Amino acid sequence: DAKTTQPPSMDCAEGRAANLPCNHSTISGNEYVYWYRQIHSQGPQYIIHGLKNNETNEMASLIITEDRKSSTLILPHATLRDTAVYYCIVPYNNNDMRFGAGTRLTVKP
Amino acid sequence: GAVVSQHPSWVICKSGTSVKIECRSLDFQATTMFWYRQFPKQSLMLMATSNEGSKATYEQGVEKDKFLINHASLTLSTLTVTSAHPEDSSFYICSASSNPIEAFFGQGTRLTVV
Repeated sequence: DAKTTQPPSMDCAEGRAANLPCNHSTISGNEYVYWYRQIHSQGPQYIIHGLKNNETNEMASLIITEDRKSSTLILPHATLRDTAVYYCIVPYNNNDMRFGAGTRLTVKP
Repeated sequence: GAVVSQHPSWVICKSGTSVKIECRSLDFQATTMFWYRQFPKQSLMLMATSNEGSKATYEQGVEKDKFLINHASLTLSTLTVTSAHPEDSSFYICSASSNPIEAFFGQGTRLTVV
């Protein structure tokens, strides 16, 4: 059901930037891109969302390509606590979140 | 961000009994709530969507008579797993939304049926 594809896993060195890609080639003009993450045995945590402009908050930056067919979540200085599964979601309606497999990010010391 | 609280965080019940899980939006009114189920090493799967005062809409393959959802107020939705069996053991997660562009998730409830 998910409308996005992500690599299954990525590693990142502690203190370096983590860049997580997401493809959403069928996205339509009024659909947002959302990013959540899930740390083991917890509920998903909201990170950021965007429509077409790049977005930044205290957690991360979201870079959306001009054609909106892909995006990248950037964690500027990854820490060990950022180890989690990261989900890129394009909802069916804007609050109807369908989860794909996500990317398992492992931050290594 | 807005806070969504689930209760209990974990529960163990005997096979054949029913168990109720609560999902509360603590600081906003949730017109829509979603219930998910997550098995080990898998992603979240949407079970049903409920709007306050209306019957829940269930995803294909989810038995509505087994997973009873009530969304009687703008701050509370409940999921009751009836006649639970070991295969219902899972991590159940709710999310709540007050507008079309946001959804906030609870911390999840781990159900173990023995």
